[in-house]
Amino acid sequence: QKEVEQNSGPLSVPEGAIASLNCTYSDRVSQSFFWYRQYSGKSPELIMSIYSNGDKEDGRFTAQLNKASQYVSLLIRDSQPSDSATYLCARRGWRSQGNLIFGKGTKLSVKP
Amino acid sequence: GAGVSQSPSNKVTEKGKDVELRCDPISGHTALYWYRQRLGQGLEFLIYFQGNSAPDKSGLPSDRFSAERTGESVSTLTIQRTQQEDSAVYLCASSPGLAGGTITDTQYFGPGTRLTVL
Repeated sequence: QKEVEQNSGPLSVPEGAIASLNCTYSDRVSQSFFWYRQYSGKSPELIMSIYSNGDKEDGRFTAQLNKASQYVSLLIRDSQPSDSATYLCARRGWRSQGNLIFGKGTKLSVKP
Repeated sequence: GAGVSQSPSNKVTEKGKDVELRCDPISGHTALYWYRQRLGQGLEFLIYFQGNSAPDKSGLPSDRFSAERTGESVSTLTIQRTQQEDSAVYLCASSPGLAGGTITDTQYFGPGTRLTVL
């Protein structure tokens, strides 16, 4: 199965800034994309899901999907120290339409 | 229950021993997934259940790994003759299922079982 690529970081931004997390994938069949946040020692929790080209906003989070260019991004506005975590990008696998294929994650650090 | 639960939360075992990891999905969720996360790495898919059947076992790394699910609820992941490279956090996730072929199915993760093989 095709991989999901993410910059491992760490990405460091000052408090209040916009954090931009990017993810590329190589399988044109994928239709479903997900961003999970994982705090150190904890399990992943869903932040956003996106299925259509364009932007999807939820509070301080905006997911952007461009299927033609095969990338998906996550913007975090007004970043807070509590946003410091690893952000995992995932796409649904093509084989079973069941499992998710994850990138290795980008570690975000928001400095007060 | 309120969320996915897993037990034990931590397991330390000696090389060569067998271990069983348990997952209790969210009530009513027909789909269940097992993933493995090695230290500092992303999540690696192991196996997927839809109901009691496993349409995708492609991620199981060797025949020492097996999983079953009974009654469309609890699942057990068994690792036989554990090796040091099996040390990882084993995560279980569940989702409502793919009835109607929806692509919007969201997976919810349990807290994981941290397995350490000495």
